[in-house]
Amino acid sequence: SAVISQKPSRDICQRGTSLTIQCQVDSQVTMMFWYRQQPGQSLTLIATANQGSEATYESGFVIDKFPISRPNLTFSTLTVSNMSPEDSSIYLCSVILGLAGNEQFFGPGTRLTVL
Amino acid sequence: GQQVMQIPQYQHVQEGEDFTTYCNSSTTLSNIQWYKQRPGGHPVFLIQLVKSGEVKKQKRLTFQFGEAKKNSSLHITATQTTDVGTYFCAGKRQAGTALIFGKGTTLSVSS
Repeated sequence: SAVISQKPSRDICQRGTSLTIQCQVDSQVTMMFWYRQQPGQSLTLIATANQGSEATYESGFVIDKFPISRPNLTFSTLTVSNMSPEDSSIYLCSVILGLAGNEQFFGPGTRLTVL
Repeated sequence: GQQVMQIPQYQHVQEGEDFTTYCNSSTTLSNIQWYKQRPGGHPVFLIQLVKSGEVKKQKRLTFQFGEAKKNSSLHITATQTTDVGTYFCAGKRQAGTALIFGKGTTLSVSS
């Protein structure tokens, strides 16, 4: 299994500002993903964080709004840029272990509220 | 793109009653996974189904994967109050890719 930590655990931000969320894994992982879970909703995949290259974004999500970094195999950041109240959500980091891995592990999430 | 539908959205049962949630994909899945999320928590992995027609059991929970690998179900026998939470099915387009989640079924149980 993998132990995933996220910082911050929660934050309240003003509209128009940006927040960077960090995800740290206790072991090297092949795949890292970022999900969003809006209140009372399911998890929506934002992007796949690729080590050493640009992230792969899902439909409806763009790099300018959600820039992602992944400098190594254990760490990634997601920035929520120019925030609006609609960005209020829980942001979750998720990983897969191994090249043929299937089970995904989730971090505890970052609860973001935008005023 | 790939979609995973899940019904019902909410289910309330009396303790001891059975519960079933159904999941359906618009495309064939490499595998399907089930997660449980308690209020305020993050999704926790329950099980993975890979083979066509596969059935797996975990105590009172029974998971099925359809023959066409496009649908799945989770059945809980004799629910308990500890079963409350939201159950998500999630499918993979192919191994090693990210999960696509259904909308989840939120189960409440009254004693």
